[in-house]
Amino acid sequence: QKEVEQNSGPLSVPEGAIASLNCTYSDRGSQSFFWYRQYSGKSPELIMFIYSNGDKEDGRFTAQLNKASQYVSLLIRDSQPSDSATYLCAVEGFLNYGGSQGNLIFGKGTKLSVKP
Amino acid sequence: SQTIHQWPATLVQPVGSPLSLECTVEGTSNPNLYWYRQAAGRGLQLLFYSVGIGQISSEVPQNLSASRPQDRQFILSSKKLLLSDSGFYLCAWSYSAGAEAFFGQGTRLTVV
Repeated sequence: QKEVEQNSGPLSVPEGAIASLNCTYSDRGSQSFFWYRQYSGKSPELIMFIYSNGDKEDGRFTAQLNKASQYVSLLIRDSQPSDSATYLCAVEGFLNYGGSQGNLIFGKGTKLSVKP
Repeated sequence: SQTIHQWPATLVQPVGSPLSLECTVEGTSNPNLYWYRQAAGRGLQLLFYSVGIGQISSEVPQNLSASRPQDRQFILSSKKLLLSDSGFYLCAWSYSAGAEAFFGQGTRLTVV
């Protein structure tokens, strides 16, 4: 069973701090990794993707990937109350019933709360 | 630019009734299409995906079915809803397998 694991939280950080969200995955063959943000009652929206080991920065967001450790993380610098949401990690992988293509496997998400 | 439309936004249906949720994508051709379900306390579960017209793959056995009658139209159906079918249903599209997926606004289904 392919799995993507995230700490469910809630993770609470003060405004202006760095929020660190972590994700581990079981399929060593996965090549693509994604972070989505989901506000309560809304659909997920893509915020970052990463394919290569190392760091990828986009504004206040940094994604980090370590394929050897099967670990991907998201750092949010200068956290704002508007960043309060559930963050979903998604990993490309082949699902339980085989199939002919890799699809995105999602973790259950980490709920982030940024306190003013 | 590409857009995805999903409707209705909310739906309350009695047990045993049929279901039809529709999703359309604009601004791209031959997208991969997906139906996900998100139940309370659980992650996003992939239900169906399609790589082309009439081509449907099911990831989870259930009483739901999907169809793709046109290139950019994806339909989720059930003949008889169960209480356990309640959840947040999301349609999504991507350019290719394993690529980032873009979601519609979702349908919150409550089966009573």
